[in-house]
Amino acid sequence: SAVISQKPSRDICQRGTSLTIQCQVDSQVTMMFWYRQQPGQSLTLIATANQGSEATYESGFVIDKFPISRPNLTFSTLTVSNMSPEDSSIYLCSVEQGNTGELFFGEGSRLTVL
Amino acid sequence: AQSVTQPDIHITVSEGASLELRCNYSYGATPYLFWYVQSPGQGLQLLLKYFSGDTLVQGIKGFEAEFKRSQSSFNLRKPSVHWSDAAEYFCAVFLGFQKLVFGTGTRLLVSP
Repeated sequence: SAVISQKPSRDICQRGTSLTIQCQVDSQVTMMFWYRQQPGQSLTLIATANQGSEATYESGFVIDKFPISRPNLTFSTLTVSNMSPEDSSIYLCSVEQGNTGELFFGEGSRLTVL
Repeated sequence: AQSVTQPDIHITVSEGASLELRCNYSYGATPYLFWYVQSPGQGLQLLLKYFSGDTLVQGIKGFEAEFKRSQSSFNLRKPSVHWSDAAEYFCAVFLGFQKLVFGTGTRLLVSP
């Protein structure tokens, strides 16, 4: 199973600022996924990041708000731009084991926007 | 539309008692099914999965789940709950094309 490290684990940010979350995997993976978990809610897929191409965003999420980088097969970043209190969530990075839907998750980045 | 329903938002179980968490899905074909657990302040950990074959699957930490096609259900069970099982549990359905849909979760509280 893949080991996934996320940084920062938590942060408190001011409204209007941006924060970049890093995700490092201990093995090469084709796809990486970014999820959002709002307080008391389930997980919602933000986007799928492939190395060497633009990320694919789910309905309701746009690149200007959540730009994603995927410079190589073990690393990705998610930026939450121009933050508002509604962006307060846990952001989780994950990778898939085969094409079966079995995901491995990082520990998440808990973001609080004041 | 495809969906996953976990009808119980909260469940409280006494330590040592048995546990069953419900999950129902709406999907045309036989899906791949998963249960994940999220301990406080942690990411998600896979408990077990069903792809095909035996409809009773065993997972980690003494959990098992049974796939019932006729009921579109994939309920999670444990015969004897430990205090460390207190967490949030998510059922998920894989729809293909990297689409994993999560239920809303069930928070398990374990009383002494």
